[in-house]
Amino acid sequence: AQTVTQSQPEMSVQEAETVTLSCTYDTSESDYYLFWYKQPPSRQMILVIRQEAYKQQNATENRFSVNFQKAAKSFSLKISDSQLGDAAMYFCAYRSAFGTASKLTFGTGTRLQVTL
Amino acid sequence: GAVVSQHPSWVICKSGTSVKIECRSLDFQATTMFWYRQFPKQSLMLMATSNEGSKATYEQGVEKDKFLINHASLTLSTLTVTSAHPEDSSFYICSAPPTGKGGNTEAFFGQGTRLTVV
Repeated sequence: AQTVTQSQPEMSVQEAETVTLSCTYDTSESDYYLFWYKQPPSRQMILVIRQEAYKQQNATENRFSVNFQKAAKSFSLKISDSQLGDAAMYFCAYRSAFGTASKLTFGTGTRLQVTL
Repeated sequence: GAVVSQHPSWVICKSGTSVKIECRSLDFQATTMFWYRQFPKQSLMLMATSNEGSKATYEQGVEKDKFLINHASLTLSTLTVTSAHPEDSSFYICSAPPTGKGGNTEAFFGQGTRLTVV
């Protein structure tokens, strides 16, 4: 079974600064997808960024980028120019590439605080 | 973008009663939907996989007789918490990946249902 580990329960960053959230995972599969989801106080899950394991290039979405290290099974999220609206719970998630609809396995989450 | 609607957003029920939560994909078909449970300040834990036209697949430790799942159509899955007790109080979230898409298609989430059993 796959596992996802987020070792930082809480992180804090000043507005306009950069913060990196860590995620490691364990799997025996060779092809899979990794995601970062944001859960604000409304608790609506919002996709931040996705990475396909067979792609070596790190995914980027505006101020959000990942550092995907497949050999190390590491998938960190970097938020640049942090904004107050970035404050939320962030979950790292894994999904197998096999099958047409696979379940997500989530990490325990990191609560991000953004200060002025 | 694709929308998944979950209803109700919150519900309070008396201990011993049953509560039904609906999950609808509004603009796409989903032969599979997933039901998650989230305790306060914790992660999402998969409870079951809802399959249109067949029985749901439950994760280990989830009571199938307590959490009844029905996937009546390609756009609707329901989760019924039967004989609810205070320990069932939690936040329940559904998600649905669009049918027929590649494996990299994101799964869209409903807004969640906060269940409080008193």
